[in-house]
Amino acid sequence: NAGVMQNPRHLVRRRGQEARLRCSPMKGHSHVYWYRQLPEEGLKFMVYLQKENIIDESGMPKERFSAEFPKEGPSILRIQQVVRGDSAAYFCASSPQEREVMAEQYFGPGTRLTVT
Amino acid sequence: LAKTTQPISMDSYEGQEVNITCSHNNIATNDYITWYQQFPSQGPRFIIQGYKTKVTNEVASLFIPADRKSSTLSLPRVSLSDTAVYYCLVGIYNTDKLIFGTGTRLQVFP
Repeated sequence: NAGVMQNPRHLVRRRGQEARLRCSPMKGHSHVYWYRQLPEEGLKFMVYLQKENIIDESGMPKERFSAEFPKEGPSILRIQQVVRGDSAAYFCASSPQEREVMAEQYFGPGTRLTVT
Repeated sequence: LAKTTQPISMDSYEGQEVNITCSHNNIATNDYITWYQQFPSQGPRFIIQGYKTKVTNEVASLFIPADRKSSTLSLPRVSLSDTAVYYCLVGIYNTDKLIFGTGTRLQVFP
């Protein structure tokens, strides 16, 4: 059973370009979460999605950032007009509809975004 | 959400038992305590969760005193591969939003 998959693993963008980060949850998981981690810091919650629905986007910056989890295909985190401050590791996590252990999320390997 | 406080770093040697304590003075009645482990360049991994007293699994033990204002993650006989950052999280049982602090960086030496 494959784990959470994220691609690309590394992404380099110039200031002003768009970054698209993809996340495929574990098989059977319908909940997807995105987190951002700056160097030497803990992860910061960004958004929680279920299929075709954004449940909680309280951690998303108001501008330039958007996320979706379509009926078919991976979840996408999109950052428009990237700036140097967007450089970070972006982690996706998933969990099943019914969880045996609460607060257990399965994390992917992350996408490291570098803005030059 | 309860604020947590844990040591920034800890050192240990292979084969020793490591105890990492987390303070959460304003933990609420419905809050659970959860620990995650993160290796460099990887996503965090769930270790253990508990509400009170003691919980043990194949990886670690979690000790929670009666007042629940702190908790201790215990790693028996650590190895070099246990070098990682350990995060203590406190939240309601069915929380979907994980709130990570800065964690405790554990370094295990040979």
